[in-house]
Amino acid sequence: KAGVTQTPRYLIKTRGQQVTLSCSPISGHRSVSWYQQTPGQGLQFLFEYFSETQRNKGNFPGRFSGRQFSNSRSEMNVSTLELGDSALYLCASSLDRVKAANPRASNEKLFFGSGTQLSVL
Amino acid sequence: AQSVTQLDSQVPVFEEAPVELRCNYSSSVSVYLFWYVQYPNQGLQLLLKYLSGSTLVKGINGFEAEFNKSQTSFHLRKPSVHISDTAEYFCAVSAGGGTPLVFGKGTRLSVIA
Repeated sequence: KAGVTQTPRYLIKTRGQQVTLSCSPISGHRSVSWYQQTPGQGLQFLFEYFSETQRNKGNFPGRFSGRQFSNSRSEMNVSTLELGDSALYLCASSLDRVKAANPRASNEKLFFGSGTQLSVL
Repeated sequence: AQSVTQLDSQVPVFEEAPVELRCNYSSSVSVYLFWYVQYPNQGLQLLLKYLSGSTLVKGINGFEAEFNKSQTSFHLRKPSVHISDTAEYFCAVSAGGGTPLVFGKGTRLSVIA
Protein backbone atom coordinates (compact mmCIF):
# COMPACT_ATOMS: atom_id res chain seq x y z
CA LYS A 1 0.00 0.00 0.00
CA ALA A 2 1.40 3.39 -0.96
CA GLY A 3 1.99 5.83 1.88
CA VAL A 4 0.90 9.42 2.19
CA THR A 5 2.23 11.39 -0.77
CA GLN A 6 2.91 15.11 -0.58
CA THR A 7 3.86 17.27 -3.54
CA PRO A 8 5.94 19.17 -4.21
CA ARG A 9 8.78 18.20 -1.90
CA TYR A 10 10.35 21.65 -1.96
CA LEU A 11 9.01 25.09 -2.82
CA ILE A 12 10.59 28.51 -2.94
CA LYS A 13 8.32 31.52 -3.07
CA THR A 14 8.60 35.23 -2.42
CA ARG A 15 6.63 37.37 -0.02
CA GLY A 16 3.15 38.21 -1.21
CA GLN A 17 2.80 35.19 -3.47
CA GLN A 18 0.41 32.35 -2.85
CA VAL A 19 1.10 28.63 -2.79
CA THR A 20 -0.86 25.38 -3.04
CA LEU A 21 0.35 22.15 -1.49
CA SER A 22 -1.07 18.74 -2.29
CA CYS A 23 -1.58 15.62 -0.21
CA SER A 24 -2.75 12.18 -1.34
CA PRO A 25 -3.74 10.02 1.65
CA ILE A 26 -3.31 6.29 1.99
CA SER A 27 -5.93 4.46 -0.04
CA GLY A 28 -9.08 4.05 2.04
CA HIS A 29 -8.19 6.80 4.51
CA ARG A 30 -10.84 9.48 4.69
CA SER A 31 -9.38 11.90 7.20
CA VAL A 32 -6.57 14.29 6.29
CA SER A 33 -4.87 16.60 8.77
CA TRP A 34 -2.32 19.33 8.09
CA TYR A 35 0.45 20.48 10.41
CA GLN A 36 3.04 23.22 10.19
CA GLN A 37 6.46 22.30 11.58
CA THR A 38 9.05 24.93 12.48
CA PRO A 39 12.19 24.61 14.63
CA GLY A 40 10.90 26.99 17.27
CA GLN A 41 7.27 25.93 17.51
CA GLY A 42 7.36 22.23 16.70
CA LEU A 43 4.21 20.89 15.06
CA GLN A 44 1.16 23.08 15.06
CA PHE A 45 -2.22 21.88 13.89
CA LEU A 46 -3.66 23.70 10.88
CA PHE A 47 -6.88 21.85 10.01
CA GLU A 48 -8.48 18.48 9.42
CA TYR A 49 -10.79 17.38 6.65
CA PHE A 50 -13.13 14.44 6.50
CA SER A 51 -15.50 13.67 3.63
CA GLU A 52 -14.76 17.01 1.98
CA THR A 53 -15.70 18.93 5.15
CA GLN A 54 -13.42 20.78 7.50
CA ARG A 55 -13.88 19.10 10.85
CA ASN A 56 -11.29 20.87 13.01
CA LYS A 57 -9.35 24.07 12.64
CA GLY A 58 -6.24 25.32 14.42
CA ASN A 59 -5.31 28.83 15.37
CA PHE A 60 -3.97 30.13 12.07
CA PRO A 61 -4.99 33.25 10.13
CA GLY A 62 -7.46 33.09 7.28
CA ARG A 63 -4.59 33.19 4.77
CA PHE A 64 -4.32 29.46 5.43
CA SER A 65 -7.08 27.44 3.83
CA GLY A 66 -7.67 23.96 2.62
CA ARG A 67 -10.05 21.63 0.91
CA GLN A 68 -10.63 17.97 0.35
CA PHE A 69 -11.86 16.30 -2.79
CA SER A 70 -14.22 13.37 -3.21
CA ASN A 71 -11.26 10.99 -3.60
CA SER A 72 -9.95 12.21 -0.18
CA ARG A 73 -7.01 14.05 -1.71
CA SER A 74 -6.44 17.35 0.01
CA GLU A 75 -4.87 20.67 -0.83
CA MET A 76 -3.86 23.53 1.38
CA ASN A 77 -3.39 27.07 0.18
CA VAL A 78 -1.49 29.93 1.72
CA SER A 79 -2.13 33.37 0.29
CA THR A 80 -0.08 36.54 0.68
CA LEU A 81 2.97 34.64 1.91
CA GLU A 82 5.03 36.05 4.76
CA LEU A 83 8.61 35.21 5.75
CA GLY A 84 7.28 33.49 8.86
CA ASP A 85 5.37 30.99 6.73
CA SER A 86 8.65 29.25 5.92
CA ALA A 87 8.21 25.78 7.37
CA LEU A 88 7.79 22.10 6.71
CA TYR A 89 4.12 21.39 6.04
CA LEU A 90 3.10 17.89 6.97
CA CYS A 91 0.00 16.05 5.94
CA ALA A 92 -1.30 13.05 7.84
CA SER A 93 -4.09 10.64 7.00
CA SER A 94 -6.12 8.25 9.10
CA LEU A 95 -9.08 5.95 8.60
CA ASP A 96 -11.65 7.95 10.52
CA ARG A 97 -10.65 9.83 13.64
CA VAL A 98 -14.26 10.23 14.80
CA LYS A 99 -14.24 6.55 15.68
CA ALA A 100 -11.52 7.30 18.16
CA ALA A 101 -14.34 7.78 20.66
CA ASN A 102 -13.75 4.06 21.15
CA PRO A 103 -10.52 4.12 23.13
CA ARG A 104 -9.43 0.77 21.82
CA ALA A 105 -9.82 1.82 18.22
CA SER A 106 -6.59 2.27 16.37
CA ASN A 107 -8.01 5.16 14.43
CA GLU A 108 -5.94 7.69 16.31
CA LYS A 109 -2.92 6.48 14.39
CA LEU A 110 -1.87 9.15 11.95
CA PHE A 111 0.24 8.27 8.94
CA PHE A 112 2.43 11.17 7.90
CA GLY A 113 3.84 12.15 4.56
CA SER A 114 7.41 13.40 4.18
CA GLY A 115 6.20 16.97 3.96
CA THR A 116 6.62 19.97 1.71
CA GLN A 117 9.46 22.29 2.68
CA LEU A 118 8.33 25.84 1.91
CA SER A 119 10.85 28.66 1.87
CA VAL A 120 9.59 32.22 1.60
CA LEU A 121 12.19 34.76 0.51
CA ALA B 1 -7.48 22.20 26.10
CA GLN B 2 -4.50 19.91 26.13
CA SER B 3 -0.82 20.82 26.10
CA VAL B 4 2.45 18.93 26.03
CA THR B 5 5.85 19.90 27.39
CA GLN B 6 8.95 18.07 26.33
CA LEU B 7 11.48 19.01 28.93
CA ASP B 8 14.64 18.56 26.87
CA SER B 9 15.13 20.01 23.41
CA GLN B 10 18.32 18.00 22.84
CA VAL B 11 19.62 14.79 24.40
CA PRO B 12 23.08 13.47 23.48
CA VAL B 13 23.83 9.92 24.57
CA PHE B 14 26.53 7.38 23.86
CA GLU B 15 25.74 4.26 21.87
CA GLU B 16 24.49 1.32 23.98
CA ALA B 17 23.67 3.64 26.90
CA PRO B 18 20.11 3.96 28.23
CA VAL B 19 18.03 7.02 27.44
CA GLU B 20 14.92 8.68 28.79
CA LEU B 21 13.05 11.41 26.92
CA ARG B 22 10.71 13.30 29.16
CA CYS B 23 7.16 14.38 28.41
CA ASN B 24 4.60 16.06 30.64
CA TYR B 25 1.07 16.87 29.62
CA SER B 26 -1.75 19.04 30.83
CA SER B 27 -5.42 18.22 30.35
CA SER B 28 -8.71 18.59 32.17
CA VAL B 29 -10.06 15.37 30.66
CA SER B 30 -8.83 11.84 30.13
CA VAL B 31 -6.24 11.71 27.40
CA TYR B 32 -4.59 9.40 24.97
CA LEU B 33 -0.82 9.74 24.66
CA PHE B 34 1.56 9.07 21.82
CA TRP B 35 5.22 9.15 20.89
CA TYR B 36 6.20 9.74 17.29
CA VAL B 37 9.68 9.66 15.74
CA GLN B 38 10.92 11.70 12.81
CA TYR B 39 14.06 10.60 10.99
CA PRO B 40 15.91 13.19 8.88
CA ASN B 41 13.98 14.28 5.78
CA GLN B 42 11.03 12.09 6.64
CA GLY B 43 7.58 12.45 8.10
CA LEU B 44 6.60 11.23 11.55
CA GLN B 45 5.90 7.62 12.38
CA LEU B 46 4.19 6.23 15.45
CA LEU B 47 6.45 4.64 18.07
CA LEU B 48 3.84 3.76 20.66
CA LYS B 49 0.56 4.91 22.18
CA TYR B 50 -1.31 4.75 25.45
CA LEU B 51 -5.08 4.51 25.15
CA SER B 52 -6.03 2.69 28.37
CA GLY B 53 -5.07 -0.33 30.47
CA SER B 54 -1.50 -1.14 31.44
CA THR B 55 0.50 1.99 32.14
CA LEU B 56 3.65 0.49 30.62
CA VAL B 57 3.46 0.60 26.88
CA LYS B 58 5.89 -1.13 24.58
CA GLY B 59 6.53 0.19 21.11
CA ILE B 60 8.66 -0.47 18.08
CA ASN B 61 12.46 -0.49 17.98
CA GLY B 62 12.76 -1.45 21.66
CA PHE B 63 11.18 1.73 23.03
CA GLU B 64 8.73 1.80 25.91
CA ALA B 65 6.89 4.50 27.82
CA GLU B 66 5.16 4.67 31.15
CA PHE B 67 1.97 6.62 31.76
CA ASN B 68 1.93 8.24 35.19
CA LYS B 69 -1.37 9.94 35.86
CA SER B 70 -0.38 11.48 39.18
CA GLN B 71 2.74 13.01 37.65
CA THR B 72 0.96 13.76 34.34
CA SER B 73 3.95 12.28 32.57
CA PHE B 74 4.59 9.89 29.70
CA HIS B 75 8.36 9.46 29.52
CA LEU B 76 9.95 7.44 26.74
CA ARG B 77 12.79 5.02 27.51
CA LYS B 78 15.14 2.66 25.79
CA PRO B 79 17.65 0.52 27.70
CA SER B 80 20.34 0.58 24.99
CA VAL B 81 20.37 3.00 22.08
CA HIS B 82 21.84 2.55 18.62
CA ILE B 83 23.23 5.05 16.15
CA SER B 84 20.10 4.49 14.07
CA ASP B 85 17.96 5.92 16.89
CA THR B 86 19.29 9.40 16.11
CA ALA B 87 16.14 11.34 15.27
CA GLU B 88 13.64 13.82 16.63
CA TYR B 89 11.02 12.49 19.00
CA PHE B 90 7.62 14.04 19.56
CA CYS B 91 5.21 13.44 22.39
CA ALA B 92 1.54 14.07 21.60
CA VAL B 93 -1.77 14.11 23.43
CA SER B 94 -5.37 13.80 22.32
CA ALA B 95 -8.67 13.96 24.14
CA GLY B 96 -10.06 11.45 21.65
CA GLY B 97 -13.37 11.68 19.85
CA GLY B 98 -11.75 13.15 16.79
CA THR B 99 -10.04 16.08 18.50
CA PRO B 100 -6.68 17.00 16.97
CA LEU B 101 -3.41 15.66 18.28
CA VAL B 102 -1.41 18.28 20.16
CA PHE B 103 2.33 17.82 19.83
CA GLY B 104 5.22 18.88 22.00
CA LYS B 105 8.10 20.82 20.46
CA GLY B 106 10.23 17.72 20.10
CA THR B 107 13.43 16.30 21.55
CA ARG B 108 16.40 15.75 19.31
CA LEU B 109 18.16 12.53 20.30
CA SER B 110 21.77 12.30 19.13
CA VAL B 111 23.49 8.95 19.61
CA ILE B 112 27.26 9.21 19.73
CA ALA B 113 29.50 6.32 18.66
